[in-house]
Amino acid sequence: NAGVTQTPKFQVLKTGQSMTLQCAQDMNHEYMSWYRQDPGMGLRLIHYSVGAGITDQGEVPNGYNVSRSTTEDFPLRLLSAAPSQTSVYFCASSYSDRGRTEAFFGQGTRLTVV
Amino acid sequence: GQQVMQIPQYQHVQEGEDFTTYCNSSTTLSNIQWYKQRPGGHPVFLIQLVKSGEVKKQKRLTFQFGEAKKNSSLHITATQTTDVGTYFCAGPRYSSASKIIFGSGTRLSIRP
Repeated sequence: NAGVTQTPKFQVLKTGQSMTLQCAQDMNHEYMSWYRQDPGMGLRLIHYSVGAGITDQGEVPNGYNVSRSTTEDFPLRLLSAAPSQTSVYFCASSYSDRGRTEAFFGQGTRLTVV
Repeated sequence: GQQVMQIPQYQHVQEGEDFTTYCNSSTTLSNIQWYKQRPGGHPVFLIQLVKSGEVKKQKRLTFQFGEAKKNSSLHITATQTTDVGTYFCAGPRYSSASKIIFGSGTRLSIRP
């Protein structure tokens, strides 16, 4: 059981470049989300999805796009990278069943924009 | 909108001292979860509390859910260097139980 798999683990981009961060989960969770975490800071929600074909914006969506064509995959696209997007990005999936709620995080992608 | 706040933001303690972080929600929560993120790692689920006034223990960690189900605390007795990290509380959003809102986290550092 792989859980939540994020790729790549590290990435360096030049300002203006675009890229896609991949996220896949094998737990059949409906809810998936993307967070960014700046040094010494908490988790800020970028985008989330409540199921295939449904996405919505979080607290800091500008500069990012998402899609959810399948239950398993939830890629995050940076349209035109900026130094302010240098951060650690976490993908998470979560479930709630019979009163139990739990989130599972990927290992994170450490992104540097130069 | 619904918010979950944590205090303090940072705590630096001597090894062996106790540590407590507090979590407050703007709305009543059906449950509260706690996660730990080691330096350089990702948040990992520790525990969930469901009942009003519930107290759970994991070795030196004691978790408490308030009577009104709007606040929670995590207390670590006699901290060890392995306790270093950021502790997040989290609760389900009122609109959907599987959507989770995270607190801002408390970062614990320890002097050996």
